[in-house]
Amino acid sequence: EVQLLESGGGLVQPGGSLRLSCTASGFTFSDYAMSWVRQAPGKGLEWVSGVSGSGDTTYYADSVKGRFTISRDNSKNVLYLQMSSLRAEDSGMYYCASPRAYTSSSGGYWGQGILVTVSS
Amino acid sequence: AIQMTQSPSSLSASVGDRVTITCRASQNIRDDLGWYQQKPGKAPKLLIFATSSLRSGVPSRFSGSGSGTDFTLTISSLQPEDFATYYCLQDYNYPRTFGPGTKVEI
Repeated sequence: EVQLLESGGGLVQPGGSLRLSCTASGFTFSDYAMSWVRQAPGKGLEWVSGVSGSGDTTYYADSVKGRFTISRDNSKNVLYLQMSSLRAEDSGMYYCASPRAYTSSSGGYWGQGILVTVSS
Repeated sequence: AIQMTQSPSSLSASVGDRVTITCRASQNIRDDLGWYQQKPGKAPKLLIFATSSLRSGVPSRFSGSGSGTDFTLTISSLQPEDFATYYCLQDYNYPRTFGPGTKVEI
């Protein structure tokens, strides 16, 4: 069974930092590009960042470029999101995902989400 | 970045209705489009990938079509468990972009 389990969320002050982790199991982690997707309360989905299966190539939304860093450790099956210079508008549920499907039964994996609240 | 729009933003329907949701991309994305269903308090669930391919385990009343810039998600006969918000996602290039969502209400 595929599982993506996020951790590391919580309450942080504006300007602070937080590191999210996502532990994957049930599939060959290194074969899949991974992403972080967030959702502010009552709002739609926003793609935040992505990384290739090897970890060599990373991508960011303009809203987080220069403040967030995505990385992965394929030896541990873990995806990370280092978030710094956090703002109130970064608050929301953060999902670890491999949103793209490659066949009818592979890809399209999502975690249950972890809440990040940026507030003083 | 590619902009994705969806219409309508919300709709009211009844059990048994045929429902159609449209997604439009600001540039050609070939068939690199997926559809997601999200229920309150839950993670999104992939329904359709590559425009028209059904994810394993998804009921056949869901179907997708389109190519290039215009795409459609159709629910042939709406069931009670289908009341949710639906999002399209382009995976043609980075940054990935979601549509703003369509809320399907009773």
